[in-house]
Amino acid sequence: AQKITQTQPGMFVQEKEAVTLDCTYDTSDQSYGLFWYKQPSSGEMIFLIYQGSYDEQNATEGRYSLNFQKARKSANLVISASQLGDSAMYFCAMREGWKGGGNKLTFGTGTQLKVEL
Amino acid sequence: NAGVTQTPKFRILKIGQSMTLQCAQDMNHNYMYWYRQDPGMGLKLIYYSVGAGITDKGEVPNGYNVSRSTTEDFPLRLELAAPSQTSVYFCASRMDMGQGAEAFFGQGTRLTVV
Repeated sequence: AQKITQTQPGMFVQEKEAVTLDCTYDTSDQSYGLFWYKQPSSGEMIFLIYQGSYDEQNATEGRYSLNFQKARKSANLVISASQLGDSAMYFCAMREGWKGGGNKLTFGTGTQLKVEL
Repeated sequence: NAGVTQTPKFRILKIGQSMTLQCAQDMNHNYMYWYRQDPGMGLKLIYYSVGAGITDKGEVPNGYNVSRSTTEDFPLRLELAAPSQTSVYFCASRMDMGQGAEAFFGQGTRLTVV
């Protein structure tokens, strides 16, 4: 079974609009963490935002926010006021605890975001 | 501060050749990971380590070996290269401080096996 599922292989958004990238996860751990990374065409992996399983507030980092719905096991990334430079591949990742396999960091298949004028 | 350094950046191997992908971090992180990324795909975990002398298999360990003799270094060894190992390889590290520590990635090694 997939640990991290990203169902949107590609997304388009108009500049200055908001966009939501979906991520669902599967774990039996009570303690886990969820991450979003950005991979531009140059290939490097850039950390964007983190949400812990016990965090009651949704994480925010500048224009990025994480819509965390624990009961639904979803951790969607919201990018507000999209910019051309946001065009990239976006990966959702989960870190599980010892029960889940010793601090492994598991990635989804990614969503390719294209921001248009 | 160099962060995570991978060498080489690019390599072409012939089938059956061997090579070692180097990864070094200068952040004193306990956790280190090797991933491969096939074209248009996500990252798949090959091996990981939770500290010097401790390594474990990830999702796709076949055809690879690792060692972790120091905190800083986590080399990945390909013994008999196969075309299926053509991929981009990423090394990452993170601090052992519970849930929140993000992983820092190297720039990647683009490997082609012909």
